[in-house]
Amino acid sequence: GQQLNQSPQSMFIQEGEDVSMNCTSSSIFNTWLWYKQDPGEGPVLLIALYKAGELTSNGRLTAQFGITRKDSFLNISASIPSDVGIYFCAALNYGGSQGNLIFGKGTKLSVKP
Amino acid sequence: KAGVTQTPRYLIKTRGQQVTLSCSPISGHRSVSWYQQTPGQGLQFLFEYFSETQRNKGNFPGRFSGRQFSNSRSEMNVSTLELGDSALYLCASSLAERAATFFGQGTRLTVV
Repeated sequence: GQQLNQSPQSMFIQEGEDVSMNCTSSSIFNTWLWYKQDPGEGPVLLIALYKAGELTSNGRLTAQFGITRKDSFLNISASIPSDVGIYFCAALNYGGSQGNLIFGKGTKLSVKP
Repeated sequence: KAGVTQTPRYLIKTRGQQVTLSCSPISGHRSVSWYQQTPGQGLQFLFEYFSETQRNKGNFPGRFSGRQFSNSRSEMNVSTLELGDSALYLCASSLAERAATFFGQGTRLTVV
């Protein structure tokens, strides 16, 4: 099936630092989504991207939909302790046994105060 | 407006029992999907319903079933529970096929 390769798997950074993570695929997608998940909770949608080349911000978060439609990245500026969690990229896939959403395996972010 | 609501939040069941989980999507959303999340397998798609019809199904055994009601609320049922069914079960809703998908807080099922 289709796959999203998300990297890095984990990051351990100092408070105040910027963070960058990305997702790549060999398949083309028309919609990319970024989620944050805290332990025991459901993923929370951070940013949705609908157009190749689109750059969208949500507070300290910025995400871009790659021009080839095969990748996306998420940046977090000036990280704070509450940014800790697992960040997932997802791409909309319309049907098939994998469902409508294909997920990356997540980036676990830890922030040192 | 209210988000996706899942009940119950936590559940402990014994092997062999069955369980029903409930999901109320965001008002106006007609697509409801279910996912199983475990540390080893990550997020795995179970099924998707749209306007009371199952539109899509993942690779899970027939013990896993679901349905959607006319008000878009959905339930999923797992029969003959196995230890390996212990997981966080997530429900997600979206307005349309190409729209962003929003998740509920999940139901943590523990099978003992």
